[in-house]
Amino acid sequence: NAGVTQTPKFQVLKTGQSMTLQCAQDMNHNSMYWYRQDPGMGLRLIYYSASEGTTDKGEVPNGYNVSRLNKREFSLRLESAAPSQTSVYFCASRPGTGAYEQYFGPGTRLTVT
Amino acid sequence: GENVEQHPSTLSVQEGDSAVIKCTYSDSASNYFPWYKQELGKRPQLIIDIRSNVGEKKDQRIAVTLNKTAKHFSLHITETQPEDSAVYFCAAGGRGSTLGRLYFGRGTQLTVWP
Repeated sequence: NAGVTQTPKFQVLKTGQSMTLQCAQDMNHNSMYWYRQDPGMGLRLIYYSASEGTTDKGEVPNGYNVSRLNKREFSLRLESAAPSQTSVYFCASRPGTGAYEQYFGPGTRLTVT
Repeated sequence: GENVEQHPSTLSVQEGDSAVIKCTYSDSASNYFPWYKQELGKRPQLIIDIRSNVGEKKDQRIAVTLNKTAKHFSLHITETQPEDSAVYFCAAGGRGSTLGRLYFGRGTQLTVWP
């Protein structure tokens, strides 16, 4: 099993450009999450999907949209990138009801200039 | 929502000494408390977790204790080694309306000096 995978690993965008970060898991997990990590701020939840077909906002959703394409895939879209969105983005997945442990992907380092 | 505070933000210890990292949480409905280790440039990795029906859990040199009444939990690393150097994150979450969300502390940078 590959676990949780993310593409791309690195990306540089200019202000105003758009892009989609991809995440996939092959563990048959029900729930998936997108976090951003900034120095000294820990991991902050952007959006999550408790199950296929549902999505909900986390702590810092402004400027982002998500799509739960199917049970395996959960994408994060930046419609008009801003320098404040420079961060490392992690996707995570969780098995489901009664199992709370989350497993993280390798991350995407995004720089917006 | 839940609020998790983590202390200290940095911790330096000599190889072989013990290290303790402490976290507090605010929501009494939280019942799951994981600890993650993140090495530089890597993903967070789950190293140990505890549920609220257990007071202490050990795995070799790592232990976690939970005090539900005081709403705090701690990570204890004994006989530290240089490879323990990393950022450690605590989190709280679990049942209730949070739908499995985890709320993370801001992290502790642990440095183990040889």
